[in-house]
Amino acid sequence: EVQLVESGGGLVQPGGSLRLSCAVSGFTVSTKHMGWVRQAPGKGLEWVSVIYSGDNTYYADSVRGRFTISRDNSKNTLYLQMDSLKSEDTAVYYCARAGSGSYRGTFDPWGQGTLVTVSS
Amino acid sequence: EIVLTQSPGTLSLSPGERATLSCRASQSVSSNYLAWYQQKPGQAPRLLIYGASSRATGIPDRFSGSGSGTDFTLTINRLEPEDFAVYYCQQYGSSPTWTFGLGTKVEIK
Repeated sequence: EVQLVESGGGLVQPGGSLRLSCAVSGFTVSTKHMGWVRQAPGKGLEWVSVIYSGDNTYYADSVRGRFTISRDNSKNTLYLQMDSLKSEDTAVYYCARAGSGSYRGTFDPWGQGTLVTVSS
Repeated sequence: EIVLTQSPGTLSLSPGERATLSCRASQSVSSNYLAWYQQKPGQAPRLLIYGASSRATGIPDRFSGSGSGTDFTLTINRLEPEDFAVYYCQQYGSSPTWTFGLGTKVEIK
């Protein structure tokens, strides 16, 4: 069974850092494209970052230079290092498998999400 | 950057009725890389449609997608109680980038 489980969310002050984790079971992270999508409270979905199986990384303009996506193949886990956090980064962060082939451009499946709150 | 505009913002319908949701792109969506997701309160989104018109695994056939270029539609025939949710369209473009629409809420009338 495919499962994605995020962790690492919490309350952090503006300017602070946080690292989110996404533990994956049911497939090998290193062979798939993976991504992060966030949702501010009561708002819509916003793509954050994607890492391709070939290690190319991509970021939304709103987080480029502050967030870093990575993975640990030995732990089959995806990460999102978030630095210089701002109040507007407050959101539920979802990890998801990014599709390839005929599913190219999609996100499926998704984890349950982890809440990040940036506030003093 | 492609902007996706979804309409209406809210759709009030009764179970058994048909829902028609629109997603309009500011520029042509390449190779129909247009997807639709369903999100229920407190849950993660779920992929419904990819490639503008293909149903994802396990999605009932009352859900259908159509359209090309800049105009796309998600149709839900014979609404079931579990279909009342928020629906998002999403496109994948060059660079690459991924963009979501703001969503359409389908609520019980």
